[in-house]
Amino acid sequence: QVQLQQWGAGLLKPSETLSLTCAIYGGSFSDNYWSYIRQPPGKGLEWIGEIHHSGATNYNPSLKSRVTISMDTSKNQFSLKLTSMTAADTAVYFCGRNGFYSIDEWGQGTLVTVSS
Amino acid sequence: EIVLTQSPGTLSLSPGERATLSCRASQTVNNIYFAWYRQAPGQAPRLLIYATSTRATGIPDRFSGSGSGTDFTLTISRLEPEDFAVYYCQQYGPSPMYTFGQGTKLEIK
Repeated sequence: QVQLQQWGAGLLKPSETLSLTCAIYGGSFSDNYWSYIRQPPGKGLEWIGEIHHSGATNYNPSLKSRVTISMDTSKNQFSLKLTSMTAADTAVYFCGRNGFYSIDEWGQGTLVTVSS
Repeated sequence: EIVLTQSPGTLSLSPGERATLSCRASQTVNNIYFAWYRQAPGQAPRLLIYATSTRATGIPDRFSGSGSGTDFTLTISRLEPEDFAVYYCQQYGPSPMYTFGQGTKLEIK
């Protein structure tokens, strides 16, 4: 069974860049698309973007100018960078595996707080 | 962008009762693009239903999904303690894009 383990800095200052990495265990990166999703405290879910093993990416238009999702197939990992962070970007960030037009496996989540 | 509106915002029921959760889309959604999730406090969401009515791996048959067009429903036939959580609907499209509803909180009455 696929498991996703994610990590990254939990406290950032305004204008800094968020960097998160998600490792895939028990599965192959080449089998699916892989996504990042975020959830502000007490609020709903927002899809950030996805990457395919071919290198193809798709991003939420509302974040597209600040987001880069990349991959390291040799390590079975994919990563998120989100630039120019503000307090509005404070959220729990999840990585996930895309299933049939849905997210069928999720990482444990990483709380990222933006504060001066 | 397709907007999903879930109702009710909060649903208060007792264990063993039947729950009916609704999700309305601002535009027609293809049935294969529609899913439901359950999120327990402090946990990641878990996929329950995809393609409107197909249960995900390991999901018990007390969960069922239905609907078409702009109106979709998640039904839980007999509530178990672990079912008291927040539920999200989700749709895919029109461009490569996932959007979620704002959530329905199912609480113990």
